[in-house]
Amino acid sequence: AQSVTQLDSQVPVFEEAPVELRCNYSSSVSVYLFWYVQYPNQGLQLLLKYLSGSTLVKGINGFEAEFNKSQTSFHLRKPSVHISDTAEYFCAVSDPGGSEKLVFGKGTKLTVNP
Amino acid sequence: DVKVTQSSRYLVKRTGEKVFLECVQDMDHENMFWYRQDPGLGLRLIYFSYDVKMKEKGDIPEGYSVSREKKERFSLILESASTNQTSMYLCATTPGTTYEQYFGPGTRLTVT
Repeated sequence: AQSVTQLDSQVPVFEEAPVELRCNYSSSVSVYLFWYVQYPNQGLQLLLKYLSGSTLVKGINGFEAEFNKSQTSFHLRKPSVHISDTAEYFCAVSDPGGSEKLVFGKGTKLTVNP
Repeated sequence: DVKVTQSSRYLVKRTGEKVFLECVQDMDHENMFWYRQDPGLGLRLIYFSYDVKMKEKGDIPEGYSVSREKKERFSLILESASTNQTSMYLCATTPGTTYEQYFGPGTRLTVT
């Protein structure tokens, strides 16, 4: 079965510093990859997605992610974070069974401090 | 824009009560999902539906049932609520041509 590992449960950073949130998945077959963001007391919002093509994917709010097939990774990056980026971030991968299901990681809580 | 609404943002119920959580989408999407979210555990799939009256169990279906009588509405039912069902419940939809899921705002359920 597909699994997703987010290596850090909490990441504290200072404002304007760069950040990388790490995500690894288990399947070696073709997959679709997603990053979602959840602000306090809200649902999940799509940040970016990789379906095919360029391995560097740009999303909303200045975030980007790089698909690395050999390392089965899809790490999320931002060169300079803002206080408003404080949220929980979830990596997700398509289930290869063809049912439109996603398998989610356990989340990384990003805290941006002034 | 896709709109996914959930009937309540916050709900408090007593142990043993029957609880209905409603999810409505306005985009004619084929697939609908119910997740529960708990700290440190991420999102876990309870049930999903790929068509009216069609449903499949997810990873943690025990203690829950679902109903999809109309395409736009997907209900999650807790037959007899227990304290270990206190959680955030999230509904999501996809159009059936892409895996991208659209989420509702969530219902925070407390069972006392």
